[in-house]
Amino acid sequence: DAGVTQSPTHLIKTRGQQVTLRCSPKSGHDTVSWYQQALGQGPQFIFQYYEEEERQRGNFPDRFSGHQFPNYSSELNVNALLLGDSALYLCASSLTSGQLYGYTFGSGTRLTVV
Amino acid sequence: AQRVTQPEKLLSVFKGAPVELKCNYSYSGSPELFWYVQYSRQRLQLLLRHISRESIKGFTADLNKGETSFHLKKPFAQEEDSAMYYCALSSYTGNQFYFGTGTSLTVIP
Repeated sequence: DAGVTQSPTHLIKTRGQQVTLRCSPKSGHDTVSWYQQALGQGPQFIFQYYEEEERQRGNFPDRFSGHQFPNYSSELNVNALLLGDSALYLCASSLTSGQLYGYTFGSGTRLTVV
Repeated sequence: AQRVTQPEKLLSVFKGAPVELKCNYSYSGSPELFWYVQYSRQRLQLLLRHISRESIKGFTADLNKGETSFHLKKPFAQEEDSAMYYCALSSYTGNQFYFGTGTSLTVIP
């Protein structure tokens, strides 16, 4: 089991562009959550997807959107990129709620906006 | 508001010495708390969960609701314990985790 896989590992984009990040959850997991981790900070919750719907959303603008596919994989889209969007984006999967067993994290996608 | 505070950004201890990584939280409800660890060049991984009251790699953590703390402890630090440690709190639904800013632990040989 490869665990949670994210692609790409690194990405450089220009301010104003759009970006799509991808995530495949751990086998058997049906819930995908996305986190943003700025340098020196802990991960910040963006949103969570379950049964192809956004189940909960953190304090992030509408420029951040996502999708979950029938095979449970997920995408994170960010429009109109700002310099402040530069961060490590983490995908985490879990079985339904993560409350009991916690998350399994991917290695992340390092996004740099120039 | 939900918040997790890890007051120490950096912590250094000698090998064999006890170690305690502090975590305080604020949450309006009954929290579920976790410790995550990130070793150098590795992904973030679950170390232990309050709900299971387990001991992993010699680490334990006790939830103190009166002091709203969930400190991570180990009686004898090992060099392989050097890593970044994050305390996290789960929302009531379990749909959202709140992470602290992390403590970088260095165990000096």
